[in-house]
Amino acid sequence: GAVVSQHPSWVICKSGTSVKIECRSLDFQATTMFWYRQFPKQSLMLMATSNEGSKATYEQGVEKDKFLINHASLTLSTLTVTSAHPEDSSFYICSAPGQVSNQPQHFGDGTRLSIL
Amino acid sequence: AQKVTQAQTEISVVEKEDVTLDCVYETRDTTYYLFWYKQPPSGELVFLIRRNSFDEQNEISGRYSWNFQKSTSSFNFTITASQVVDSAVYFCALKKETSGSRLTFGEGTQLTVNP
Repeated sequence: GAVVSQHPSWVICKSGTSVKIECRSLDFQATTMFWYRQFPKQSLMLMATSNEGSKATYEQGVEKDKFLINHASLTLSTLTVTSAHPEDSSFYICSAPGQVSNQPQHFGDGTRLSIL
Repeated sequence: AQKVTQAQTEISVVEKEDVTLDCVYETRDTTYYLFWYKQPPSGELVFLIRRNSFDEQNEISGRYSWNFQKSTSSFNFTITASQVVDSAVYFCALKKETSGSRLTFGEGTQLTVNP
């Protein structure tokens, strides 16, 4: 079945560091990918929708300059957390829509980001 | 606007008990999809079921069953004879019919099954 690979699975870094998270569709092409953030004991909140070949669409309240999204190819979307601070520590998950409208989204396994 | 409500934040049961997780949704769309996902402590999301809005048949899969009531906008999930391995956060989600549209998640229910 369709698989989305997300890397890295765990990142611990110092405050002020920029961190890049990759999301790849392994056996299908994804013109759209979704990026979610999940704080402990909370639900998944959509941050942005990345679109291959065009600018990402950000949800209200999400800083575009802080969370840079690039969808450079039909199989790769990246999220870069620039100058990360402790409040950016969270669980980030990407997903790609099913190729047919009634199919479930294909989720990556998530990235746990801890900023010291 | 779409909204999903899971009123039960946490549920704790003893192994072998049956447990029902509630999900109520709001949408103006006439056609939509409903989903349930399981999130174990490791964090990945595990797809459990998809239901089309025009199909109100209940579904059973092993110990899992789902009751979809369009009249009350509910899509409840029952685990029969719960096991410790069922301990996880369970999310109900709603999606428009449009291809490539986003998922709207409920707040999630933390289920703890004690031995």
